Amino acid sequence: AQTVTQSQPEMSVQEAETVTLSCTYDTSESNYYLFWYKQPPSRQMILVIRQEAYKQQNATENRFSVNFQKAAKSFSLKISDSQLGDTAMYFCAFMKLRGGSQGNLIFGKGTKLSVKP
Amino acid sequence: EPEVTQTPSHQVTQMGQEVILRCVPISNHLYFYWYRQILGQKVEFLVSFYNNEISEKSEIFDDQFSVERPDGSNFTLKIRSTKLEDSAMYFCASSATRVAETQYFGPGTRLLVL
Repeated sequence: AQTVTQSQPEMSVQEAETVTLSCTYDTSESNYYLFWYKQPPSRQMILVIRQEAYKQQNATENRFSVNFQKAAKSFSLKISDSQLGDTAMYFCAFMKLRGGSQGNLIFGKGTKLSVKP
Repeated sequence: EPEVTQTPSHQVTQMGQEVILRCVPISNHLYFYWYRQILGQKVEFLVSFYNNEISEKSEIFDDQFSVERPDGSNFTLKIRSTKLEDSAMYFCASSATRVAETQYFGPGTRLLVL
């Protein structure tokens, strides 16, 4: 079974600084997708970034980028130039692409990020 | 931008009562999901739904749970006889395709069973 671990329950960062959120996962699959979702205090969970496991290049989306280390099963999220609006719970998620449970998201417990002015 | 909506935002019920949680997925999406998050724990998959039938369900989704798409827009989760341990945030999600497609989440319904 797949598991996703986020080892940092809470983190804080000063506005305009850079912060990295950690995520590790366990799977025997070779092809899969990884996601970071953000859940602001308003509760709507929105996709931040996703990474296809077959791609070696790390995904980037504006100020958000990932460090995907497939062999280490690590998928960290880097937020550059942090803004107050980045304050949220961040969830790492895994998606299997074939077999049972394909297409379903498996989430970590989340990291609560606070951006301080 | 299209959004997934959920009603109610909060629901308080007595143990043993039936509850129906409602979701309106994004209109051109074909796959629908329910997840739940017990306070302080992980978001967990409950069930996926496609073409008017359940595609997959987790161990959590026992006989007390059911899902339905009663019309062309709503997607509901029914809990027949609620238990204290059903207290959680319930999230609906939808996607255009099943695998690898982004799932769009609703804001959730917080269910409290007393």
